[in-house]
Amino acid sequence: EAQVTQNPRYLITVTGKKLTVTCSQNMNHEYMSWYRQDPGLGLRQIYYSMNVEVTDKGDVPEGYKVSRKEKRNFPLILESPSPNQTSLYFCASSPGTANSPLHFGNGTRLTVT
Amino acid sequence: AQTVTQSQPEMSVQEAETVTLSCTYDTSENNYYLFWYKQPPSRQMILVIRQEAYKQQNATENRFSVNFQKAAKSFSLKISDSQLGDTAMYFCAFMNLNYGQNFVFGPGTRLSVLP
Repeated sequence: EAQVTQNPRYLITVTGKKLTVTCSQNMNHEYMSWYRQDPGLGLRQIYYSMNVEVTDKGDVPEGYKVSRKEKRNFPLILESPSPNQTSLYFCASSPGTANSPLHFGNGTRLTVT
Repeated sequence: AQTVTQSQPEMSVQEAETVTLSCTYDTSENNYYLFWYKQPPSRQMILVIRQEAYKQQNATENRFSVNFQKAAKSFSLKISDSQLGDTAMYFCAFMNLNYGQNFVFGPGTRLSVLP
């Protein structure tokens, strides 16, 4: 089944404790990205990647890191999480061509205390 | 910068009736793509419908259709014969390939379908 797999679904952590949210897609998509969803703000892009070893900042990259060592994986890393990073996170992928929609993972609800 | 506005934070509709969700966007680009995504309580993001800006004909997918007014930069979603399963958050999104395929999302409209 074609899908974007994101883990974990829920994560509670404390300020400053490094964490990684994994994302993997099995559709051979070129393009992958991370979004955070906050009430009243919709989804905002954190980072994106057009291909292996190519990553770029989105609209809200501060406090996040990503890597794209393989085509299928695009982990999101929070080196020192803070409470303002409490949010719902989505990984998404697409073929990267015109009119291609984003395929989303099931989301990760992160709480930083 | 591109921006997407959804002016109705919440809406409700009776089952079997028709409802229209509004979306406006701001861009200086001529070629772009517009999407509506649905997010039910399961929080999955599900594509509802898409529209290419160069196509004048409005897109339709079963009970879902759009009213695309390019000059007015408006992209509303009409849901006909509303069903209980249509209860969800609806996001309008804009995409232009010149911006790294960044999808810009609106703040969303929470739709409740009432029995």
